[in-house]
Order: sequence, then structure tokens, then C-alpha cells
Amino acid sequence: EPEVTQTPSHQVTQMGQEVILRCVPISNHLYFYWYRQILGQKVEFLVSFYNNEISEKSEIFDDQFSVERPDGSNFTLKIRSTKLEDSAMYFCASSRDSGPTEAFFGQGTRLTVV
Amino acid sequence: AQSVSQHNHHVILSEAASLELGCNYSYGGTVNLFWYVQYPGQHLQLLLKYFSGDPLVKGIKGFEAEFIKSKFSFNLRKPSVQWSDTAEYFCAVIWNRDDKIIFGKGTRLHILP
Repeated sequence: EPEVTQTPSHQVTQMGQEVILRCVPISNHLYFYWYRQILGQKVEFLVSFYNNEISEKSEIFDDQFSVERPDGSNFTLKIRSTKLEDSAMYFCASSRDSGPTEAFFGQGTRLTVV
Repeated sequence: AQSVSQHNHHVILSEAASLELGCNYSYGGTVNLFWYVQYPGQHLQLLLKYFSGDPLVKGIKGFEAEFIKSKFSFNLRKPSVQWSDTAEYFCAVIWNRDDKIIFGKGTRLHILP
């Protein structure tokens, strides 16, 4: 069964450093998403991406964040100058269509900022 | 703003007990509804979904959910839980003409053997 894969599974970084979280979506999917889950809180939408551009972003997704699809298979989330409050589980998801369809989630990357 | 509410944050049951987890969402037109499960150390997996048709939806692992439009609810049920159902359960909604899923805060379910 095809699946979304994320690397690394756990990333520890010092405050102020840049991190790149990587995702390989399912190959025939066209819509890509990043979500995050701060410990004990709900899963929050960050950004959706289609046709090589951001289609929607939340208020959380400020200038500190950026996404890229550098090579047609990977989908990355870059966090510049990480803060302690960026510590969370980050989930990548992909779907074949937009709107009412099933999104497939990766296993998540746990980011710890120290 | 659109929102999804899960009323039970932490539920503890014995094996073979019946389960019902509540989920309500805010009004905003046509909705598409999901329940996801996250087993310890694993990724989010889809349990079931409702787009249209029969409001009683059957999913994997014996779970079902009922869409009650008048109550803006989509409660998850299972008649007899197993120890392996220990996980966190998330209700999620897509409002029509939107392309992102909004999640509830999740309900942590702990089944006692």
C-alpha cells in the first residue's frame, strides 16, 4: 500500500537554528499539506500546496516557515530560526484531489527545540 | 471561525465495554467528516469517513459513526472495545469549497485489559 514517508522521525535542534523536515508524498498525489501537533494539543493546519505554489496557509505559517517541492518527489518544510514553541510533531499529508477526499498522513517528525 | 469539538479528552474503559466518542462541528454549510486514529508511535490513520448518503458509516476495526445533521454531530461508536483500541482518536471536518482538514483536539482512549 502506498504511503507518505517523513524523515527524520525525530529532530533535535538548538534554538535559532534552521531545520528542514522532509516528506515524500504518494506518487500520483497532487495536493500536499503540513500539519503540526504541539504536545497535548490538537492537530493544526499549517499550509497546503498545489501546482508548485501555496494554495492556503494558516496564521501559524508566518515568514519563519517555507515549503518547497524541490525535485518532484520531495516536499519540504523549512523552519528558519527555530523557537522553543516550534517543538511539536509535524505531519505531512498528501491527497489526489482537493476538498472532500482522503488525505494520507505520514508518520510525523518530532521536532524538539532546545 | 470553523471549529471541531471533541468533548471527551481522556476515556478509560475495560475490554468489551461499549464506546461512544462525541464530535460536534460548527455550522458552515456542507461538510465532509472523518475520524482518524493515532496508535502510540504511529501515524494518523483513517478510520472512516462520511461524504454523503447513509448517515451511518461503517469503518475499519468494527468502528462506526453516525452523522446527525440537525445536531452538527458525528459521534464514533464501537459496541465492544479491545485492548488494541488504545489510541488517540481525532474527529476532522472539511467544509465545502475548502481544501484543508480541521481537526478536533483528540480523545485519548485507554482500554484496560
